[in-house]
Amino acid sequence: EVQLVESGGGLVQPGRSLRLSCAASGFTFDDYAMHWVRQAPGKGLEWVSGISWNSGSIGYADSVKGRFTISRDNAKNSLYLQMNSLRAEDTALYYCAKGAAAGTVDYWGQGTLVTVSS
Amino acid sequence: SSELTQDPAVSVALGQTVRITCQGDSLRSYYASWYQQKPGQAPVLVIYGKNNRPSGIPDRFSGSSSGNTASLTITGAQAEDEADYYCNSRDSSGNLDVVFGGGTKLTVL
Repeated sequence: EVQLVESGGGLVQPGRSLRLSCAASGFTFDDYAMHWVRQAPGKGLEWVSGISWNSGSIGYADSVKGRFTISRDNAKNSLYLQMNSLRAEDTALYYCAKGAAAGTVDYWGQGTLVTVSS
Repeated sequence: SSELTQDPAVSVALGQTVRITCQGDSLRSYYASWYQQKPGQAPVLVIYGKNNRPSGIPDRFSGSSSGNTASLTITGAQAEDEADYYCNSRDSSGNLDVVFGGGTKLTVL
């Protein structure tokens, strides 16, 4: 059974940093791209960032480019999101998601909540 | 980056058929995937590729595509199908970039 468990969310002041983690199990982690997708309260899904199986290809949404960094450790079956210079508009539930072919995301974690507020 | 456009809300009578659409330039090159999200829950993939259902998804869910428009059809909608539905596809601009539609709230009357 595929499991994705996010951690690291919390309340943080504007301008500060936070690092999210995602522990993956139930599949061969280093065979698949992984993504972070967020959902602001009462809003829709927004793709944040994606990383290929070997970290050779990485992408970011324009809204986070230059502030967020995605990474993975295949030896630890883990995905990370380093979030710097956080803004109020980054407040959201952040989902870790397993990539499949052509942009499909086939499994999602339960999310970790990030609240940016003074 | 690409955009995908969905109607904000759609309703259907119990047992009837409903189509939810998604429009965007990226759909001329890539198939859409569709996700169902119920309140307080993570999204669940319901359709991917040309018209594929993951294991456990009822066969009343189907997908189709024409030009820049993808559609999710629910044939014989059930009360438990009331949810938000999102489309997504690979973004035309990047190898890994992904784009989501704004979502459609489906109400089953």
